[in-house]
Amino acid sequence: DADVTQTPRNRITKTGKRIMLECSQTKGHDRMYWYRQDPGLGLRLIYYSFDVKDINKGEISDGYSVSRQAQAKFSLSLESAIPNQTALYFCATSDSGRGGEQFFGPGTRLTVL
Amino acid sequence: DQQVKQNSPSLSVQEGRISILNCDYTNSMFDYFLWYKKYPAEGPTFLISISSIKDKNEDGRFTVFLNKSAKHLSLHIVPSQPGDSAVYFCAASVSGTYKYIFGTGTRLKVLA
Repeated sequence: DADVTQTPRNRITKTGKRIMLECSQTKGHDRMYWYRQDPGLGLRLIYYSFDVKDINKGEISDGYSVSRQAQAKFSLSLESAIPNQTALYFCATSDSGRGGEQFFGPGTRLTVL
Repeated sequence: DQQVKQNSPSLSVQEGRISILNCDYTNSMFDYFLWYKKYPAEGPTFLISISSIKDKNEDGRFTVFLNKSAKHLSLHIVPSQPGDSAVYFCAASVSGTYKYIFGTGTRLKVLA
């Protein structure tokens, strides 16, 4: 079984709809992250959380919100989706060790029409 | 302002030859660097990392070199194999922040 799972894997929605992307991990890591990937722009950090009570904005948090429901769960919400939020979204985790390479989920492809 | 840059969007290399992927950064506070590999329809996977106290780190066929004065790092893959065909991202962080800034990626194609 995958250590970091994301649901849904694909989603098509309409402008103005509320969307939630979910991430679960079985690695026991404290740190969780949400990124989006756009062609030519690489991975950009949306939000990150170092524990259940710690939520921080990343580079591009406008239009997004997150919830850390438990150590193992970190959800990303688009309150009112817009077409330029069409992207590939990745959840990642890392442990508390030095450096802390990240472990990524398989991604959610979101299309906003 | 792109703090981590991968100026080559793509690279093609013959099987068995060396692949060299480059990454430049602008923030002199960055002191930990990572390389990730990404296959289509999968998330990135960690490949190799280097701390700023080193200038080289090796792991099998993969070697990362860091030139702090030039704010440049490179990933060498020797010998290149068709299975290495993927998109490679470099990432940088400042110690203690656990926030990572990613480059835009380089698509490597290893030709059989």
